[in-house]
Amino acid sequence: DGGITQSPKYLFRKEGQNVTLSCEQNLNHDAMYWYRQDPGQGLRLIYYSQIVNDFQKGDIAEGYSVSREKKESFPLTVTSAQKNPTAFYLCASATREPSGTQYFGPGTRLTVL
Amino acid sequence: LAKTTQPISMDSYEGQEVNITCSHNNIATNDYITWYQQFPSQGPRFIIQGYKTKVTNEVASLFIPADRKSSTLSLPRVSLSDTAVYYCLVGPDNYGQNFVFGPGTRLSVLP
Repeated sequence: DGGITQSPKYLFRKEGQNVTLSCEQNLNHDAMYWYRQDPGQGLRLIYYSQIVNDFQKGDIAEGYSVSREKKESFPLTVTSAQKNPTAFYLCASATREPSGTQYFGPGTRLTVL
Repeated sequence: LAKTTQPISMDSYEGQEVNITCSHNNIATNDYITWYQQFPSQGPRFIIQGYKTKVTNEVASLFIPADRKSSTLSLPRVSLSDTAVYYCLVGPDNYGQNFVFGPGTRLSVLP
């Protein structure tokens, strides 16, 4: 069963703690992305990666970090430097074709207590 | 970067056809137009994509005029389950460099 999985679905964190969100895909896609969505808003790009061991900052990368050691995995770490991390986080993947569409995971809702 | 403009919200009734128009005046020659649907607390789902003229699939139709400065997503005979946010995206690729999700159009289907 092909697709993108994100875990956990819900995550609670105390202020000052780092937390890592998991994203795995078995679609054999080269490109992967992380977005943040706040209530009633569109998606904002945090980081993206086109190939293994390479990634670029998106519009709101401050306070976040990523790694891409494997094609299938693109974990996102929300660090204590992120001042307002409570949000819905979405991971996506796509082929590298010009018309390649993005496939999204189910999301992780992070709440900072 | 091709910026898009969509209505913030729309209301419709079950069984009606819904047309959502997206403006993208500075679309580039190699840009595609892609529409996504998002339900609350879920990831967006691909609906349809086109480059020019008309594209139809089992879910929707996409109309693109010759100048490509706008596009219209058409949902035939909507049901309550079509209540969602619809995003129009324009870009040369989906790699992320120029991929911007605006606030989208919040469609409410009423009984």
